[in-house]
Amino acid sequence: DQQVKQNSPSLSVQEGRISILNCDYTNSMFDYFLWYKKYPAEGPTFLISISSIKDKNEDGRFTVFLNKSAKHLSLHIVPSQPGDSAVYFCAVQGAQKLVFGQGTRLTINP
Amino acid sequence: DVKVTQSSRYLVKRTGEKVFLECVQDMDHENMFWYRQDPGLGLRLIYFSYDVKMKEKGDIPEGYSVSREKKERFSLILESASTNQTSMYLCASSIFGRRPEGSPLHFGNGTRLTVT
Repeated sequence: DQQVKQNSPSLSVQEGRISILNCDYTNSMFDYFLWYKKYPAEGPTFLISISSIKDKNEDGRFTVFLNKSAKHLSLHIVPSQPGDSAVYFCAVQGAQKLVFGQGTRLTINP
Repeated sequence: DVKVTQSSRYLVKRTGEKVFLECVQDMDHENMFWYRQDPGLGLRLIYFSYDVKMKEKGDIPEGYSVSREKKERFSLILESASTNQTSMYLCASSIFGRRPEGSPLHFGNGTRLTVT
């Protein structure tokens, strides 16, 4: 029973354009929604989060949107840079633990 | 910066062996977690702990146990390693309680375990 789904295993975007990563969840009771970035041979690093009482949170080039009625979360990166190439995981938080999606591999092409 | 250190980057073990994966964090975090990462499955929670001596099962605890004797150290134990436990294992820690940004996990660099 997958509580969090990232339906696109991979995404390729040209440098300078917008990258949009998507995530769907099933349970309305989650408090926080987070995005992590992972490079090969490293652990995931926290990128940005949003509380369930908000619908948008922005941090520099990164913006997370939350659509509670659709149970949908998205991460926008603009402009995309080569260093953004990584695997991105969305995660939902209830109580103290996180449940992760399957990940989307983002490749930024020069 | 929070530092979460996993004792081994790579391990190769034989089927049936007892395997210990060690994790230490230096930020006095209450919560510690063990995840495994597999292609197409993302990160799945094995066990977590809110405090010393406490442990809670995650989504896939079968075949694993944990130990938390000190606040900074959280060990994952494979009682009798099997080939389907070949995976990347990730330890993480976080502060207990609610913060405006949630309670982000801080991860170690992972241990890639191969069971032959």
